[in-house]
Amino acid sequence: AQSVTQLGSHVSVSEGALVLLRCNYSSSVPPYLFWYVQYPNQGLQLLLKYTTGATLVKGINGFEAEFKKSETSFHLTKPSAHMSDAAEYFCAVRGGSSYKLIFGSGTRLLVRP
Amino acid sequence: NAGVTQTPKFQVLKTGQSMTLQCAQDMNHEYMSWYRQDPGMGLRLIHYSVGAGITDQGEVPNGYNVSRSTTEDFPLRLLSAAPSQTSVYFCASIASGGAGTGELFFGEGSRLTVL
Repeated sequence: AQSVTQLGSHVSVSEGALVLLRCNYSSSVPPYLFWYVQYPNQGLQLLLKYTTGATLVKGINGFEAEFKKSETSFHLTKPSAHMSDAAEYFCAVRGGSSYKLIFGSGTRLLVRP
Repeated sequence: NAGVTQTPKFQVLKTGQSMTLQCAQDMNHEYMSWYRQDPGMGLRLIHYSVGAGITDQGEVPNGYNVSRSTTEDFPLRLLSAAPSQTSVYFCASIASGGAGTGELFFGEGSRLTVL
């Protein structure tokens, strides 16, 4: 079975500051990991995903995440926050050949001017 | 490029009423699923389908019914609505062969309020 824990339901940063959103997963099989973003009153959009190979994954809008198997983590980072990054971010895990995607509880990112 | 289309976008029901949330995709995706989103709980899987005629339960299936008669459509039925079903519902699909690494495509959501 798979599960995801996102630390911090709300994260607030200043514009231009580093963004760090934390995600830890549990999986009984090698995981596939995803980060999705949700803007207000919209559906979810894929930011990036880790499947196999390089553990540092780059996504859209300057975001990246690093898969660390030893720490069972997949934290999302962006060097410099922009006002347009304000949204809710979801980490998700899928195991093996399954279609089912299991989501964390989400982290709302606030960007202060 | 319609993608995943959900209707209605907003609905208010009274306790005990029934309704169907519609979901259609035009990408020929085999896998379709329904999630509900509640504050602080992320998205929880209600039901899913890996192809026409095949459905299965997710994490929170009670109070919901689904069927999959065509590849394109995957309606979600509430037989007797309860206030606990007040939520935002998302339909999502994935391409065949997308198990494991594939990306879920989401609709824009249906906001349901049960009074």
